[in-house]
Amino acid sequence: SQQGEEDPQALSIQEGENATMNCSYKTSINNLQWYRQNSGRGLVHLILIRSNEREKHSGRLRVTLDTSKKSSSLLITASRAADTASYFCASQGAQKLVFGQGTRLTINP
Amino acid sequence: NAGVMQNPRHLVRRRGQEARLRCSPMKGHSHVYWYRQLPEEGLKFMVYLQKENIIDESGMPKERFSAEFPKEGPSILRIQQVVRGDSAAYFCASSLVNGEETQYFGPGTRLLVL
Repeated sequence: SQQGEEDPQALSIQEGENATMNCSYKTSINNLQWYRQNSGRGLVHLILIRSNEREKHSGRLRVTLDTSKKSSSLLITASRAADTASYFCASQGAQKLVFGQGTRLTINP
Repeated sequence: NAGVMQNPRHLVRRRGQEARLRCSPMKGHSHVYWYRQLPEEGLKFMVYLQKENIIDESGMPKERFSAEFPKEGPSILRIQQVVRGDSAAYFCASSLVNGEETQYFGPGTRLLVL
């Protein structure tokens, strides 16, 4: 299978805490992207990190990429109830995106 | 600038019928991708098209499924003789440049086969 893997599959934390999700992929990539999906909705693009980058920030999001380990992590700081969603990493080689299975994040008020 | 548009948002078909899913990419985007998402799973690539050309259909089932992206009009994903296993959410994405840019996703079409 070409699917990536994410862990944990589910994560439940208190509002205000930080949430970390990890992703592994299998082939060489041009970039890796993270998306959010609220239940029953479409995907919202969060951040793209290129293969020659190691870390990237966007607001409360911090993404790291380790191409030697074929892994990435997404950190959401100071979580809010509105961050409750499923988060997917997607690696991009030539064209298509290869998605992980996703992490279901629940932020408890 | 409108985002990626998909219609219908929900589609119910009986086994054996045909399903047609439409996708209009973002303005100026000429690269279109179709993905399928089964319940509680990630998205899986189906097909990548540019205007009038299928570039990569490695994720498409060999039978009953076809896709097109004509010179004028939306991209169409067509499923003939649907079966219950085709029930899923089908997402379309578009990008400005292939391979190095963000893919922007539409809201999806949720297909239910009875």
